[in-house]
Parts: sequence; structure tokens; C-alpha cells
Amino acid sequence: GAVVSQHPSRVICKSGTSVKIECRSLDFQATTMFWYRQFPKQSLMLMATSNEGSKATYEQGVEKDKFLINHASLTLSTLTVTSAHPEDSSFYICSARDPRNTEAFFGQGTRLTVV
Amino acid sequence: AQSVTQPDIHITVSEGASLELRCNYSYGATPYLFWYVQSPGQGLQLLLKYFSGDTLVQGIKGFEAEFKRSQSSFNLRKPSVHWSDAAEYFCAVGAAGGSASKIIFGSGTRLSIRP
Repeated sequence: GAVVSQHPSRVICKSGTSVKIECRSLDFQATTMFWYRQFPKQSLMLMATSNEGSKATYEQGVEKDKFLINHASLTLSTLTVTSAHPEDSSFYICSARDPRNTEAFFGQGTRLTVV
Repeated sequence: AQSVTQPDIHITVSEGASLELRCNYSYGATPYLFWYVQSPGQGLQLLLKYFSGDTLVQGIKGFEAEFKRSQSSFNLRKPSVHWSDAAEYFCAVGAAGGSASKIIFGSGTRLSIRP
């Protein structure tokens, strides 16, 4: 079964609203999780590193006020796309590495469509 | 900084023919290397990974990859492709140690299968 679970798998929202995506590690405690974005026919681009109990680290060019990350527990990180616009429509994927063996696991992804 | 290069954007092979997808990486420490496959509209599926040990890694669906440190390469191979192998393939690299280490993806290679 899935070791990293992401929810929802698909979401459609209206322009101007906010959307929250959850990423849970089911089998281990993850002090660090990663959020990626994938535009159609492109690769996965790392957006930010989510750190439990502290601020997320954003990659260059990613708006931290736009993409709010909260890592409030050792098994849950959330990505909130605030005031979503059609250009935010994308495939968002989270990842976590098991600290026991550093293996990496990915969520199933969330397809966001902003209309 | 770590980086991954997949020199081939698109490859077409005949069904039953052999396949090799190229991946070169740049990383200052011991790398943790992956190959993922993604079908249209779907999430990522891990084909195989190299963490340590035997440099020839066997994966699912008949795929294998060989880690060559001297060439900074981790090419993916399959002796005989099937029509169902048509998909996008991503090579990725992370640090072997440390669960806080991010994973970076290559730009991907789209595989088409000729009947």
C-alpha cells in the first residue's frame, strides 16, 4: 500500500479561492517533506521543502505567500494554493524520505484545475 | 548543486526491440538515483533505484539500470519493449544520506512504441 498518501487526487476550484492539499506519511515520521509541481508535458519541479515545526524553504521563483506550506506534525504537511488562478492549474506531488533508511516515497499527486 | 540530464526528449522504438534511456547526473557526494515512469495523467511509478551495492539494479516490468560512477551515468535498459511501455520516463537524483535531502528530476524522455 501507499507509504505516502496525498489528498485530494483531483480538485477543481474557482479562480480566487484557496485550495489545500494534504500529504501524509503513513509508515514513518517525516521531519522533512517536499512539494513538486508538474506542468503538462514537463518535468517535476521542486517548489519547496517542508520542515516540521519550522518555516518551509522555497525554491527560487516560488512565491511563498502564494503557496503556503504547513508541516504541523511529523506525519502531515499541507500545501495551500491561495487565491488560485488558472495559471496555477498543475499536477502537485509531495514526497518524503524515511529517516530509518532515507528511502524516498512519493504521493499519488493532486491534479488542480482552476476555472 | 545537483542536476540531472536526460539528453533524449523523445525516443521511438519498435515493439520487441531493446531500449536504452540515457541519464547523466551531477552530484558532489554519493548519489541516490531513481528511474520513474509516468503515464499520461497519472502519478509517478518507481521503476528502480540505486542506493548502494551492486551497480546493476533490477527493477519492475523487466527494466534494469547500471550505475557508472566514472561516467556519472545511470542509464535505463530493457531488452524487449512492449506497447504498454509507452510513457514518460524520469531520472532523478538525491543525496544517499539524510532524509532531509531533496530529489531533483531530469526533464524526462517520452517513449513511443512503433507497432
